[in-house]
Amino acid sequence: AQSVTQPDIHITVSEGASLELRCNYSYGATPYLFWYVQSPGQGLQLLLKYFSGDTLVQGIKGFEAEFKRSQSSFNLRKPSVHWSDAAEYFCAVTGGGADGLTFGKGTHLIIQP
Amino acid sequence: DVKVTQSSRYLVKRTGEKVFLECVQDMDHENMFWYRQDPGLGLRLIYFSYDVKMKEKGDIPEGYSVSREKKERFSLILESASTNQTSMYLCASSRTGRYQPQHFGDGTRLSIL
Repeated sequence: AQSVTQPDIHITVSEGASLELRCNYSYGATPYLFWYVQSPGQGLQLLLKYFSGDTLVQGIKGFEAEFKRSQSSFNLRKPSVHWSDAAEYFCAVTGGGADGLTFGKGTHLIIQP
Repeated sequence: DVKVTQSSRYLVKRTGEKVFLECVQDMDHENMFWYRQDPGLGLRLIYFSYDVKMKEKGDIPEGYSVSREKKERFSLILESASTNQTSMYLCASSRTGRYQPQHFGDGTRLSIL
């Protein structure tokens, strides 16, 4: 069965500092990988996705993620965080098609002034 | 933009009641999904549907049923609500196709007293 692990439950970063959120997946075939962000009281917004090709993908709000097959990882990065980036971040995997997503448990990002 | 609308942001019901959560999408998507979100557990797939009148069990279907009589509407039903079904419920939709991301509604926070 597929699974996603986000090892960090909480991460605190100073405003303007760089950010990396970790995601490891387990999937038997070619994975389709996503990062979503959830602001308080809201639904999930898609940040970026990886299906194939270039292993470094760009997303919205200045985020990027790198797919590393050898490490089964899909880490999210941002060079300089803003206070508005404080939110819950979810990594997800699917095999594609009509199947639902399998989510990690989320990483809560706190931004220090 | 894709719009996924969940009929209620907050809902309070009593144990044993039959509860309906409604979700409507306006982009003619074939696939629709129901997840529940709990602290420390992330999002878990309850049911999904890839066509009208079709439904598939997700990871945690027990205690729930669904209905999809029209393409744009997907209802989650709690036949006899219990306190352990207190949660945030998120609806999503997507087009069919391996590269199609899921689009989420803002969620319904359901409390069962």
